[in-house]
Amino acid sequence: DIVMTQSPDSLAVSLGERATINCKSSQSLLYSSNNKNYLAWYQKKPGQPPKMLIYWASTRESGVPDRFSGTGSGTDFTLTINSLQAEDVAVYYCQQFLTVFRTFGQGTKVEI
Amino acid sequence: QVQLVESGGGVVQPGKSLKLSCATSGFRFSFSQYGLHWFRQAPGKGLEWVSFISTDENENYYADSVKGRFTISRDNSKNTLYLQMNSLRVEDTAVYYCTQDRGYGDVWGQGTMVTVSS
Repeated sequence: DIVMTQSPDSLAVSLGERATINCKSSQSLLYSSNNKNYLAWYQKKPGQPPKMLIYWASTRESGVPDRFSGTGSGTDFTLTINSLQAEDVAVYYCQQFLTVFRTFGQGTKVEI
Repeated sequence: QVQLVESGGGVVQPGKSLKLSCATSGFRFSFSQYGLHWFRQAPGKGLEWVSFISTDENENYYADSVKGRFTISRDNSKNTLYLQMNSLRVEDTAVYYCTQDRGYGDVWGQGTMVTVSS
């Protein structure tokens, strides 16, 4: 299985400031046939299903505010939340979808 | 608009069985053209992949934690996904989600809660 490791486990950010979450995979998520990274980022709030924010490591899902951005390739990825809003308080997960045996990072809790 | 609606959750004793359903609608292409997954999240824990079924049901895969106890299936005529859960354990307590594999990430349902307790 592909192991996904996130850092940090939690972080506190002031309103309007930037939050940065890192994700490392145990093997490359870059598929050479299409040059795409099979990495997604999700936001999870209590009582709600996971909400996809980013796929292909850097493509925002429709309707996701542009303060959310994803970067990285291969085995190292980053989710950045610019100008943090109160509604961004949540747990964020990275997920690899290179294989059907989906795996997630352990989650990063973002607080104000 | 893609919709996945899980049902069938509830409270069950250890060792008993439960069958979850996931009714779908609004797929861009035919239901039968998409692979489907089950995931779960135990209370206070992270997200865990449970099982996958291919478009024609010829490929089914399971997490080691449920292998031999859970069975995934689908009815393409009813646009519905299922998860038969047997020999349930306390550690199977979780919210269970079904997802559509779009090929560029998964679309999630709202989830159904399964509680295994004596």
